[in-house]
Amino acid sequence: DSGVTQTPKHLITATGQRVTLRCSPRSGDLSVYWYQQSLDQGLQFLIQYYNGEERAKGNILERFSAQQFPDLHSELNLSSLELGDSALYFCASSVVAGGPVEQFFGPGTRLTVL
Amino acid sequence: DAKTTQPTSMDCAEGRAANLPCNHSTISGNEYVYWYRQIHSQGPQYIIHGLKNNETNEMASLIITEDRKSSTLILPHATLRDTAVYYCIVRVARSNTGKLIFGQGTTLQVKP
Repeated sequence: DSGVTQTPKHLITATGQRVTLRCSPRSGDLSVYWYQQSLDQGLQFLIQYYNGEERAKGNILERFSAQQFPDLHSELNLSSLELGDSALYFCASSVVAGGPVEQFFGPGTRLTVL
Repeated sequence: DAKTTQPTSMDCAEGRAANLPCNHSTISGNEYVYWYRQIHSQGPQYIIHGLKNNETNEMASLIITEDRKSSTLILPHATLRDTAVYYCIVRVARSNTGKLIFGQGTTLQVKP
């Protein structure tokens, strides 16, 4: 158990819909990362927040947005869903924003878009 | 961040050492080598990281060549539970972001 929690574990929805994925980082970790893992793209970095502010952005679509709240939990919002958005979405956390620190990953949310 | 090259797949007998190579010939002096693994769709798990010296922890050893252009992750006594995809990642040490750029990794199959 990494200490990072993600809800829900599974999500099934239809194209065009909007969903919210939630992540609670390890106690004491200030930085949260979101990654997407699909069969054809592998593990891809989406976005990072540090202490409530966006720190780095990867290949995140404009239909996707995220935020980190004062209690440090984070939400990833996916809208106008397409079949290709079906994937595993992982959240990770680390103590600080950068440097040689390890990231702790949650168990993931499996999103299926029908 | 420097690019890494890993074999697509490897087999290892249970109880034997698993040696997973990684090539990072364009690594620069301020870049660390990290290893993570992912066991069947679970969240990736940190294994070890190093800059230029060899490193060892309770999970594995990391051997980095003197020119730092390649490294080897060693699992000393592989078990069936070590079957996973292993990712070698190179990242700038004092970056203001900890984002990880994953490649395709090496699928290690530990066989009884």
